[in-house]
Amino acid sequence: DAGITQSPRHKVTETGTPVTLRCHQTENHRYMYWYRQDPGHGLRLIHYSYGVKDTDKGEVSDGYSVSRSKTEDFLLTLESATSSQTSVYFCAIGLGLTEAFFGQGTRLTVV
Amino acid sequence: DQQVKQNSPSLSVQEGRISILNCDYTNSMFDYFLWYKKYPAEGPTFLISISSIKDKNEDGRFTVFLNKSAKHLSLHIVPSQPGDSAVYFCAASAQGGSEKLVFGKGTKLTVNP
Repeated sequence: DAGITQSPRHKVTETGTPVTLRCHQTENHRYMYWYRQDPGHGLRLIHYSYGVKDTDKGEVSDGYSVSRSKTEDFLLTLESATSSQTSVYFCAIGLGLTEAFFGQGTRLTVV
Repeated sequence: DQQVKQNSPSLSVQEGRISILNCDYTNSMFDYFLWYKKYPAEGPTFLISISSIKDKNEDGRFTVFLNKSAKHLSLHIVPSQPGDSAVYFCAASAQGGSEKLVFGKGTKLTVNP
């Protein structure tokens, strides 16, 4: 493993509730990413970070926010969860441009 | 608008034969390409990559070919083994642009014993 821990690994939540997913790394990599994986869509970038307090949107950022107050932690927040946000979420870390290393994933179900 | 395309959702091959997975891209700014392998209930794992200054990169049973003029790359697995059965994702990034990996939708490879 590349020193990435996602928590929780599984979560069921109700529509309209806020949800925060955590990604923790021990590699001191500059870049951190949140992707979601859905059938027929592959891996789509939600948000990414290129340093502490430096974040930017990906292709499917609507309904999500992120924060990175420390190098090792990257938080993904669903402000008000919807059923369309039921997905598997992957955090990744990297040095930029070259290969990224992925966590084990968080399976989120919004009911 | 899909910038990285994997047009074959699935591929089935016999053990010992060659597996060829294909990927096309539309963004001419992409200059670094990667393949990831993903097993169920696990995160994707890096397999092999290639820079746009090369047209081939080999690592054991895995070879990636890049045809820049056609904006096409392929992953060859020879010989294929049942343990290679997984979903394979093609990804691309652009130097000097945002440091983001753009992924295709994936191809599910099944290697039959």
